[in-house]
Amino acid sequence: NAGVTQTPKFQVLKTGQSMTLQCAQDMNHNSMYWYRQDPGMGLRLIYYSASEGTTDKGEVPNGYNVSRLNKREFSLRLESAAPSQTSVYFCASSKGEVYEQYFGPGTRLTVT
Amino acid sequence: AQSVSQHNHHVILSEAASLELGCNYSYGGTVNLFWYVQYPGQHLQLLLKYFSGDPLVKGIKGFEAEFIKSKFSFNLRKPSVQWSDTAEYFCAVSLYGGSQGNLIFGKGTKLSVKP
Repeated sequence: NAGVTQTPKFQVLKTGQSMTLQCAQDMNHNSMYWYRQDPGMGLRLIYYSASEGTTDKGEVPNGYNVSRLNKREFSLRLESAAPSQTSVYFCASSKGEVYEQYFGPGTRLTVT
Repeated sequence: AQSVSQHNHHVILSEAASLELGCNYSYGGTVNLFWYVQYPGQHLQLLLKYFSGDPLVKGIKGFEAEFIKSKFSFNLRKPSVQWSDTAEYFCAVSLYGGSQGNLIFGKGTKLSVKP
């Protein structure tokens, strides 16, 4: 099993550009999550999907959109990137909302 | 709002020293508790978890944690650290019936082990 995979691993964008971060899991998990990690801030939840067909905002949703494409895939879109969105983005999945989450390898995004 | 506090931002130890990292949470209901480790440049990996039962939980790589309900604490311990334990450690809590259907993470404790 690959677990949780994310693409791309690295990305550099100019301010105002858009992009989509892809995430897929092969563990048949119901719930999926997007986090950003910034130095000294820990992990902050951007959006999550408790189950296929549902999405909810987390702590820092502004400037992002998500799509739960199917049970396996959960994408994160930046419509108009800003320097404040420079961060490392992690996707995670879990059997259900109260269970342990399994993390992908992360995407390091720089917005100039 | 519910929160998770990790008391130490950065801990520096010599090899073979004992480790204890503090974690407290603010929620009066039923919780599941987790410790994650993030090695430099890598993603978070689960060290151990507590759902119910024996409040002393053993995880991978010789780590253990004790849930003390009366103190809302879930401290991580290791009797003798190694250089390879250098990493950042995150405590996390999931809430039954809380306002968020997901994990709440502490801000992390960076552990540096001197060889």
